[in-house]
Amino acid sequence: GNSVTQMEGPVTLSEEAFLTINCTYTATGYPSLFWYVQYPGEGLQLLLKATKADDKGSNKGFEATYRKETTSFHLEKGSVQVSDSAVYFCALSRSYNTDKLIFGTGTRLQVFP
Amino acid sequence: NAGVTQTPKFQVLKTGQSMTLQCAQDMNHNSMYWYRQDPGMGLRLIYYSASEGTTDKGEVPNGYNVSRLNKREFSLRLESAAPSQTSVYFCASRGDRIETQYFGPGTRLLVL
Repeated sequence: GNSVTQMEGPVTLSEEAFLTINCTYTATGYPSLFWYVQYPGEGLQLLLKATKADDKGSNKGFEATYRKETTSFHLEKGSVQVSDSAVYFCALSRSYNTDKLIFGTGTRLQVFP
Repeated sequence: NAGVTQTPKFQVLKTGQSMTLQCAQDMNHNSMYWYRQDPGMGLRLIYYSASEGTTDKGEVPNGYNVSRLNKREFSLRLESAAPSQTSVYFCASRGDRIETQYFGPGTRLLVL
């Protein structure tokens, strides 16, 4: 079946460090891939997305590239800030039924000054 | 433009009590969703509605009912709450031909 696997957290970094949060997926067809972010006490909001292989999604300094050959969509940022502390969710929507998102378990990022 | 709103923000119930979680969106979206978020489990889909008047089960529907009252509103009802339903509940909506879902701020429910 379709599924998303994320690295377990928490990920703890100092400000200005490089961030990678790994995400791999299993899916039939050609899903779209997403990263959502949840700041403390808030709902999820879309961070970035990619809809086909080799697409790169980017937003607020974060990037992720849709790699079909490795079934991965790793999230990266060159220099994290304290304000990036949040929970990050990788998700996919199945190509034949975009009504449903399948989420990973989430990775908590803690950035210290 | 408030986006997706949810009420209440927080609720404590005793086992066996009932309650309804309310969700409304002002983006004229056809699709609406209810998720629950539990530690280590990510978000799991409870029910969804692809359009006014239709509802379908998601991954974890047992113990819940939903009503798509109109295009704006999608409510989630717990008829007889159980401690296993202690969770954070999120409502979301999505426009046609747009894959992005927009989430509400969540309702934190504690069942004692």
